[in-house]
Amino acid sequence: AQSVTQLGSHVSVSEGALVLLRCNYSSSVPPYLFWYVQYPNQGLQLLLKYTTGATLVKGINGFEAEFKKSETSFHLTKPSAHMSDAAEYFCAVSDRTGANSKLTFGKGITLSVRP
Amino acid sequence: NAGVTQTPKFRILKIGQSMTLQCAQDMNHNYMYWYRQDPGMGLKLIYYSVGAGITDKGEVPNGYNVSRSTTEDFPLRLELAAPSQTSVYFCASAGGHTQYFGPGTRLTVL
Repeated sequence: AQSVTQLGSHVSVSEGALVLLRCNYSSSVPPYLFWYVQYPNQGLQLLLKYTTGATLVKGINGFEAEFKKSETSFHLTKPSAHMSDAAEYFCAVSDRTGANSKLTFGKGITLSVRP
Repeated sequence: NAGVTQTPKFRILKIGQSMTLQCAQDMNHNYMYWYRQDPGMGLKLIYYSVGAGITDKGEVPNGYNVSRSTTEDFPLRLELAAPSQTSVYFCASAGGHTQYFGPGTRLTVL
């Protein structure tokens, strides 16, 4: 069975600082990997995904993530935080059995951005 | 193109009541999903469907039922509401390795 670990429940950074949100997965074979963002009182929106090819993936709003098979990680980064980045972020994985396989989510991390 | 829509946005139920959460998508996706989100727990899959007439249980199906008579609609039924079903419910549809989420229904059972 697959699982996703997002250490910590809350990260606080200053505006302009580096954002680093960690995600590690457990799977017998490398899965598809996703980061979703949830703004208050809204549904989830896809930030970026890794399915195949280049292991450094760029997403929306200046975020990127790198798939590291040896570390079973898919950490999310952004060089310079903006106030509008304050939200909850979820890492998720799915297996490779189909184009739209079920997602397994981590517990989420709340990002706060200080002025 | 409305994407995934959910109704109602909010609902308060009494213990033992029943209700249906509605979900519709206009992207012609075969795959649809129902999740519940509880604080600090991420999203848990309740039921999913790979096409009209085909549904299957997810991780936490107890107390819920679904049906899928059309590609567009995927309603979630709560038969005997319990306080443990207080949660935020999200419907999603999938295409091209991407799940698209609705805005959610916040349900409170008292």
